Amino acid sequence: AQKITQTQPGMFVQEKEAVTLDCTYDTSDPSYGLFWYKQPSSGEMIFLIYQGSYDQQNATEGRYSLNFQKARKSANLVISASQLGDSAMYFCAMREGTSGGSYIPTFGRGTSLIVHP
Amino acid sequence: SAVISQKPSRDICQRGTSLTIQCQVDSQVTMMFWYRQQPGQSLTLIATANQGSEATYESGFVIDKFPISRPNLTFSTLTVSNMSPEDSSIYLCSVGGLAGSSYEQYFGPGTRLTVT
Repeated sequence: AQKITQTQPGMFVQEKEAVTLDCTYDTSDPSYGLFWYKQPSSGEMIFLIYQGSYDQQNATEGRYSLNFQKARKSANLVISASQLGDSAMYFCAMREGTSGGSYIPTFGRGTSLIVHP
Repeated sequence: SAVISQKPSRDICQRGTSLTIQCQVDSQVTMMFWYRQQPGQSLTLIATANQGSEATYESGFVIDKFPISRPNLTFSTLTVSNMSPEDSSIYLCSVGGLAGSSYEQYFGPGTRLTVT
């Protein structure tokens, strides 16, 4: 079974609007971390945001916020006030067993976001 | 955060040849990894590069095809051996375990490989 599921292969949004990219995960480990990365056409992977399974509050980083719903096992990325430069592939990833040092995340298949002017 | 550089940034190679990709980090890191991203696909972990010992390979990847070196805490190489067109991918170096950051994982800019 897939550990990370991103059901939206492609998303379109108007500039300055907000957009939500979906991510659901599957784990039986009580300790885990969730990541979002952005990959522009240049190919680099840019770390955006992190949410730990024990974090009480949803993570935020500037225009990025993570809507963490633990019971539903979802970790959706919300981008507010979209910009043309946000057009890229977005990958959700999970790392299990955050305490104890396993740093190897599993990645979803990605969502392609296109921001229209 | 860490600044990670990779060389080469891209290459076009003939089948049957080998290419060595270098990854350099500007600070000492505990963990270094190599990923492959085939066209239109997600990232797949090839191996964990262990300093001073043999790399730990994931299922489906073997040392003869992807030999890895890690002589110190800031540098690693990945060789793609006896290349075929199926090896055309982006190869990404990644690091984790930075001082002061227990969870963050950063990626290099990637090496875009085309095998003809």
